[in-house]
Amino acid sequence: GAGVSQSPSNKVTEKGKDVELRCDPISGHTALYWYRQSLGQGLEFLIYFQGNSAPDKSGLPSDRFSAERTGGSVSTLTIQRTQQEDSAVYLCASSPSTSGIYNEQFFGPGTRLTVL
Amino acid sequence: GDSVTQMEGPVTLSEEAFLTINCTYTATGYPSLFWYVQYPGEGLQLLLKATKADDKGSNKGFEATYRKETTSFHLEKGSVQVSDSAVYFCALRPLRGSNYKLTFGKGTLLTVNP
Repeated sequence: GAGVSQSPSNKVTEKGKDVELRCDPISGHTALYWYRQSLGQGLEFLIYFQGNSAPDKSGLPSDRFSAERTGGSVSTLTIQRTQQEDSAVYLCASSPSTSGIYNEQFFGPGTRLTVL
Repeated sequence: GDSVTQMEGPVTLSEEAFLTINCTYTATGYPSLFWYVQYPGEGLQLLLKATKADDKGSNKGFEATYRKETTSFHLEKGSVQVSDSAVYFCALRPLRGSNYKLTFGKGTLLTVNP
């Protein structure tokens, strides 16, 4: 497909379990972003990648959250020891670059995470 | 830090009504401003944008003008349709520094009834 894809679309897990969320960016996009959409906080920036490097991890809410990107393509967001407050929709976006007119961010459909 | 405030919803209108969704921002310098739309069951889509003061972004009958003096970017449409029912997000991106990071408002749910 031509757009950003995310999997799974829905994930239900028990408190304390680890989860992995996957993002496939648009082919050729060097920049990749993770955001979180929750009822209380709205849409929050989590982390972004330029290639495989993550220059800004400042939005990750705790050290239970980590992300990686391999081959300049797929990214995985991992949440360890999930808590109920982690329940949210996790959105991934990609852009051709981070600078200039080519940095429009294209969003995926999101992964809805529910922690019981 | 940067922030975006948009009118809280939900907003319910009849078809062909006039729409305004207010958005104001706080940021240093001259950020780029955006409206994103999220249709039911779909991801965020860029609706329109403006990158400098007095610019008007427009798309699908929607318009918004970048007003530096009032730090506002209100979304308007003259005649809404049922298909415009969605959640609308105002957002900014700084010109410098963290210029990759979008800061969003909390979103406004619009429902248009036939």
